[in-house]
Amino acid sequence: GDSVTQMEGPVTLSEEAFLTINCTYTATGYPSLFWYVQYPGEGLQLLLKATKADDKGSNKGFEATYRKETTSFHLEKGSVQVSDSAVYFCALSDASAGGTSYGKLTFGQGTILTVHP
Amino acid sequence: ETGVTQTPRHLVMGMTNKKSLKCEQHLGHNAMYWYKQSAKKPLELMFVYNFKEQTENNSVPSRFSPECPNSSHLFLHLHTLQPEDSALYLCASSQERGAGLDTQYFGPGTRLTVL
Repeated sequence: GDSVTQMEGPVTLSEEAFLTINCTYTATGYPSLFWYVQYPGEGLQLLLKATKADDKGSNKGFEATYRKETTSFHLEKGSVQVSDSAVYFCALSDASAGGTSYGKLTFGQGTILTVHP
Repeated sequence: ETGVTQTPRHLVMGMTNKKSLKCEQHLGHNAMYWYKQSAKKPLELMFVYNFKEQTENNSVPSRFSPECPNSSHLFLHLHTLQPEDSALYLCASSQERGAGLDTQYFGPGTRLTVL
């Protein structure tokens, strides 16, 4: 079945450091890929997405490129801020698989990011 | 109100209680979802409703009973829960487009504690 694997956290960085959170996936079809962010005490917010190979999703300085050859969707940001401290989730939606996979999001386990001033 | 709202935000209940969680989406979507988020575990999809019809029940125990009276409202009725059911319960919605369901938008969640 489909699965998503994220790098283990927690990740602790100083403000203005470069961020990479690795994400790899396995899927039977042609999934769409997502990064969601969860700030303390809140639900998940969509950060960015990509729907086909070589697409780059970007938002709020974060970027991720859909790499079919390496089945990866790594999240990057050039200069993190304290306000970026949150839990980041990589996810896939394999609507092309049909059946009960229709509309189902498969999540990674989440990576906790803490940014210090 | 905008987006996806959930009430209550926090709930403490005993194992013999009956309670309900409510979710409302103001985005005009036609699909709604319940997820369970436990500590140190990936998000678990519980139920999917598409056009008010349940399209997925992800092997959820019968002590959790969903209800979707219309495309904007989703309930999760709880009865005789166990302490291990304590978790953050997240609701989400999406709009069906073409071959599949589009991006899911989440509510803030209900933090449930079962004593």
